Amino acid sequence: GQQVMQIPQYQHVQEGEDFTTYCNSSTTLSNIQWYKQRPGGHPVFLIQLVKSGEVKKQKRLTFQFGEAKKNSSLHITATQTTDVGTYFCAGKGAGSYQLTFGKGTKLSVIP
Amino acid sequence: AAGVIQSPRHLIKEKRETATLKCYPIPRHDTVYWYQQGPGQDPQFLISFYEKMQSDKGSIPDRFSAQQFSDYHSELNMSSLELGDSALYFCASSTWLGNTEAFFGQGTRLTVV
Repeated sequence: GQQVMQIPQYQHVQEGEDFTTYCNSSTTLSNIQWYKQRPGGHPVFLIQLVKSGEVKKQKRLTFQFGEAKKNSSLHITATQTTDVGTYFCAGKGAGSYQLTFGKGTKLSVIP
Repeated sequence: AAGVIQSPRHLIKEKRETATLKCYPIPRHDTVYWYQQGPGQDPQFLISFYEKMQSDKGSIPDRFSAQQFSDYHSELNMSSLELGDSALYFCASSTWLGNTEAFFGQGTRLTVV
């Protein structure tokens, strides 16, 4: 079955440093979605990427979808303490529509 | 706008008891996902349903069972509870077709004592 792998599992950064999490799928995806879960909260949808090579930005967050539609990344520029949380990707397989979540990357920001 | 409703929000059970968690998806969402998140851990996929049929299965123990009903709400039944079952259980819903995101409920916090 479809598998979505996400690395790293944990990341500790100093405030102001950049952060990147990577997501890889075992199969070609029709789309990939990114979610953020704050400590004590529930996952909240951030963005969806659909097109091959697509790049989207939300303020300091940059999302990329690979050319082969099998990998994706989330990059945060100049992290802030408000960025703390777990970021996870979720992919829908081409032709299967099943949404498979990665294990997530837990981001800690040291003030 | 209506969101995913989970009940109860908090539940305390003793070892070897049973528990039933309920999830009411967003109207017109036909797919439900269940996740288990232990203390300090990331959400672990348990099981999902589409149109009342199981669509995918993750790390769900044999002591747990789940189903989706004709009104699309879902229930997660947990028997012979163990201390290690203490966790936050999330339900998410989405539509099966098209590129739509999953919406998560607030979760049910289960404590087994």
